[in-house]
Amino acid sequence: QVQLVQSGAEVKKPGASVKVSCKASGYTFTSYYMNWVRQAPGQGLEWMGIISPTGRNTTYAQKLQGRITMTRDTSTSTVYMELSSLRSEDTAVYYCAAGYFWFDPWGQGTLVTVSS
Amino acid sequence: EIVLTQSPGTLSLSPGERATLSCRASQSVISNYLAWYQQKPGQAPRLLIYGASSRATGIPDRFSGSGSGTDFTLTISRLEPEDFAVYYCQQYGSSVAFGQGTKVEIK
Repeated sequence: QVQLVQSGAEVKKPGASVKVSCKASGYTFTSYYMNWVRQAPGQGLEWMGIISPTGRNTTYAQKLQGRITMTRDTSTSTVYMELSSLRSEDTAVYYCAAGYFWFDPWGQGTLVTVSS
Repeated sequence: EIVLTQSPGTLSLSPGERATLSCRASQSVISNYLAWYQQKPGQAPRLLIYGASSRATGIPDRFSGSGSGTDFTLTISRLEPEDFAVYYCQQYGSSVAFGQGTKVEIK
């Protein structure tokens, strides 16, 4: 069974960076594109970007360009999302999700709180 | 960039009733790359429908998707208690976009 397990909750100060991990199991890791999607409290879903199966190609949402970096480690079947220069509006649950045109499965989510 | 608009914002229905959710795109969606997700409080979204009308693995047949171009619909034929949740549509085009969601609540 395909499963994505994310790292635990984080609390960061404004201006800091956060790196969230997403470990895959149950399928061939290098077969799937991986996405990151976030959800601010009480809000809808916002797509952040996608990384190719090999990790060589990434595409990021325009509003996050310059602050976001996605990487993947095929040796550990783990994908990472790093967001820098954090501000209060980055407080959200961050999800990884496999797929290219649509997303399945999803990780359980990681709450990132940005607060001074 | 394609914008997806979902309606209504909230749908108040009773178990056993039919739910019809709409998702309208600002431009035609390429090759019907349109998906629907269900999200319950405190949980990650779950894929229900992909390619506008194909049910994902394990999704009951009371869920159906239809539409093409700019107008898409998710129908739940008879609401079960576990179906009360928020539903999102999502498209893949030059970028990825989600609709703002429709909440299906118990009347």
